[in-house]
Amino acid sequence: KAGVTQTPRYLIKTRGQQVTLSCSPISGHRSVSWYQQTPGQGLQFLFEYFSETQRNKGNFPGRFSGRQFSNSRSEMNVSTLELGDSALYLCASRTSFADPTQYFGPGTRLLVL
Amino acid sequence: DQQVKQNSPSLSVQEGRISILNCDYTNSMFDYFLWYKKYPAEGPTFLISISSIKDKNEDGRFTVFLNKSAKHLSLHIVPSQPGDSAVYFCAASARRTSYDKVIFGPGTSLSVIP
Repeated sequence: KAGVTQTPRYLIKTRGQQVTLSCSPISGHRSVSWYQQTPGQGLQFLFEYFSETQRNKGNFPGRFSGRQFSNSRSEMNVSTLELGDSALYLCASRTSFADPTQYFGPGTRLLVL
Repeated sequence: DQQVKQNSPSLSVQEGRISILNCDYTNSMFDYFLWYKKYPAEGPTFLISISSIKDKNEDGRFTVFLNKSAKHLSLHIVPSQPGDSAVYFCAASARRTSYDKVIFGPGTSLSVIP
């Protein structure tokens, strides 16, 4: 089975721009979560989608949004980028929200200049 | 409010010895715990998990111990190998509730010295 894939792997943007990241979960996994990782901060939960509905949301500003499509693929959007948004963005999938075991993609490294 | 804590940011261990990584949690509703391992430039990979109905789970060189009364769990790696050098994240979930998102700790960077 193919793992979780994320595109693009690397991205450079400037302040004020917006960015869209994509995630394809493991086949059969219907839940997709997004995390932000910055040095010393661990994995900060952004949001989780299941069956195209946002089920959980972390403590991030409204500039961070996401969506899930009927094939379970998910996108994350960040508008009006700030320097502090530079981070590794990780996507994780699981079979459903009842299964705590998540499988992560390789991440998208975003650099905001 | 950090619900999952890993108070040691880093740990160095000699090859062949035991590595012990610790994790504490504050939410008594957590009933499932996981450990993930992360190499640089890669996503975390699932290592081992334990349900709150158990106090120990073993998988090869990796053993996780859970002390519910102390709200503490630990990951033991025996014997430690240089390839174990990575960042280890502890995570917790409250499956019995609607609050079932997985919460991660800040991670502990393990260095195994040859």
